[in-house]
Amino acid sequence: DAGITQSPRHKVTETGTPVTLRCHQTENHRYMYWYRQDPGHGLRLIHYSYGVKDTDKGEVSDGYSVSRSKTEDFLLTLESATSSQTSVYFCAISESGGTSTDTQYFGPGTRLTVL
Amino acid sequence: SQKIEQNSEALNIQEGKTATLTCNYTNYSPAYLQWYRQDPGRGPVFLLLIRENEKEKRKERLKVTFDTTLKQSLFHITASQPADSATYLCALRHGSGNTGKLIFGQGTTLQVKP
Repeated sequence: DAGITQSPRHKVTETGTPVTLRCHQTENHRYMYWYRQDPGHGLRLIHYSYGVKDTDKGEVSDGYSVSRSKTEDFLLTLESATSSQTSVYFCAISESGGTSTDTQYFGPGTRLTVL
Repeated sequence: SQKIEQNSEALNIQEGKTATLTCNYTNYSPAYLQWYRQDPGRGPVFLLLIRENEKEKRKERLKVTFDTTLKQSLFHITASQPADSATYLCALRHGSGNTGKLIFGQGTTLQVKP
């Protein structure tokens, strides 16, 4: 897993609590992404970043926020977790982004359960 | 509406045969399309990329075709092995520049039986 770590790897939390997932890379890639993966829906983009402090929404961004204060770290926050946010969350990185052939490298995933 | 579709039913084949997986898309004009492999409990891993002006791409036992008229990509694994058992995802590029994104299909699970 190309120098990408995610923490925590597993988390169980209760409805209404805030949750922050961390993605850390050692590849110095400019682009970072957060996806969620659910049965029947495949991988869906939540938010992405194209540089430090530069972020944008994906297709399922409601209820999520992100921050990127350093190249290597991309945080995903659920301000008030809901059961519909139970999912497996993947972070990905890419070097070249949208203008080229942005091969994405994925982290190991975080399994989040909201009770 | 825009869609990218893969066969949601698992594909079961015998070892040594060729596996063919399909990716169809609607209302996209992707500059390229990618294929990823995902093993249970792990993140997807990039396999191959094919551009819109390429008909076919090969890598070892893997072959990908891209037909922009049919809006379809086919992914072939020749001489399949049990170790090829996994879920295979296709993804297409939508948009350009910083706002461009990869859109993933749901994936097709391949099971190769010895």
